[in-house]
Amino acid sequence: GESVGLHLPTLSVQEGDNSIINCAYSNSASDYFIWYKQESGKGPQFIIDIRSNMDKRQGQRVTVLLNKTVKHLSLQIAATQPGDSAVYFCAEKGQGVGNDYKLSFGAGTTVTVRA
Amino acid sequence: EAGVVQSPRYKIIEKKQPVAFWCNPISGHNTLYWYLQNLGQGPELLIRYENEEAVDDSQLPKDRFSAERLKGVDSTLKIQPAELGDSAVYLCASSLGGQGTGNEQFFGPGTRLTVL
Repeated sequence: GESVGLHLPTLSVQEGDNSIINCAYSNSASDYFIWYKQESGKGPQFIIDIRSNMDKRQGQRVTVLLNKTVKHLSLQIAATQPGDSAVYFCAEKGQGVGNDYKLSFGAGTTVTVRA
Repeated sequence: EAGVVQSPRYKIIEKKQPVAFWCNPISGHNTLYWYLQNLGQGPELLIRYENEEAVDDSQLPKDRFSAERLKGVDSTLKIQPAELGDSAVYLCASSLGGQGTGNEQFFGPGTRLTVL
């Protein structure tokens, strides 16, 4: 079946540096991906999304890159801040009627920002 | 505007006891979801409601889990009887509903269940 996964479970980054979080997916037919941030004791929070007809999308301090050839997704955080410490999940949304709402999440990458 | 509200935030029970979780979605959101999140893992969908109708409960263990959304607004998720393996965070999410990939889901803070 389809699966969405992350390359590394943890990432430690120096404050001010850029962070790159990676995600691999297996369903080549996937057409929509989302990055979520989950802080301790809170639910996942939407960061940024990207459709498969794009290879890059930018938000505030975040950029998502999509490489459909190798089924790889990444989230780049510029000038990482202490408030960026959290678990980051990539999620894939299902296709088709009735499946448009189903999110499949990867296992998550825990980002720790060092002062 | 308030986000998705869940209660209780924490619950500790002994195995074989019943437990219930409550969720109030964002006002106007027709679609409501219950997810299970095990430690270190991403959320997994248990059930999705469109208004009061459960349109996807394929992942809900129906022998012990049940859910309802009687008036199409708030929802409860129940486990009876609870087992040790049910210890997890139970997340509720809501979205506006309707077709299309831009339908963002908003998550509540979750209920952390510990079964002893």
